Amino acid sequence: AQKITQTQPGMFVQEKEAVTLDCTYDTSDQSYGLFWYKQPSSGEMIFLIYQGSYDEQNATEGRYSLNFQKARKSANLVISASQLGDSAMYFCAMREGHSTGNQFYFGTGTSLTVIP
Amino acid sequence: GAGVSQSPRYKVAKRGQDVALRCDPISGHVSLFWYQQALGQGPEFLTYFQNEAQLDKSGLPSDRFFAERPEGSVSTLKIQRTQQEDSAVYLCASSLANSLSYEQYFGPGTRLTVT
Repeated sequence: AQKITQTQPGMFVQEKEAVTLDCTYDTSDQSYGLFWYKQPSSGEMIFLIYQGSYDEQNATEGRYSLNFQKARKSANLVISASQLGDSAMYFCAMREGHSTGNQFYFGTGTSLTVIP
Repeated sequence: GAGVSQSPRYKVAKRGQDVALRCDPISGHVSLFWYQQALGQGPEFLTYFQNEAQLDKSGLPSDRFFAERPEGSVSTLKIQRTQQEDSAVYLCASSLANSLSYEQYFGPGTRLTVT
């Protein structure tokens, strides 16, 4: 089974509007971390936001917020007030607590295009 | 620069050649990861180092892939007898500590093309 599922290959959003990028995850661990990364066309992965499995509040970082629904195993990224520079690939990732190496499992990504 | 650097940025190899990809992590970062990213896919884990110890190499696709980090800083990913299916972007990431909440800082990647 896929550890991370991102079902939206591509999304479009009007500039200044909000957009939600979906992510569901699969783990039997009680302790895990969820991350979102942005990958512009330059290729570098840029960390956006982190949510721990025991965090009761949804994480927020500026215009980014994570809608964490533990029972549904979903960790959707919400970008408010979209900007043209937000156009990029977005990856959801998970790190499981039991793993010695704490490797990241990544989804297949969502390509976001912000329309002027 | 304070970020993770990788070299070369681009590498073209003929099938059967050996290649070596270098990663300079952020100074002081204990953990170092290598990932392979095929076109249109998310990164796939290859291997993990904590200081100089390679603690997990479960993602290496074959024994043609070898990674080392002899002094606990710079790391090299070596691919022997390259095949066309090895064509991908190879990403290196480092993390301050081996803890769940610490994010990984990624380098720009090395795009390997095997002809």
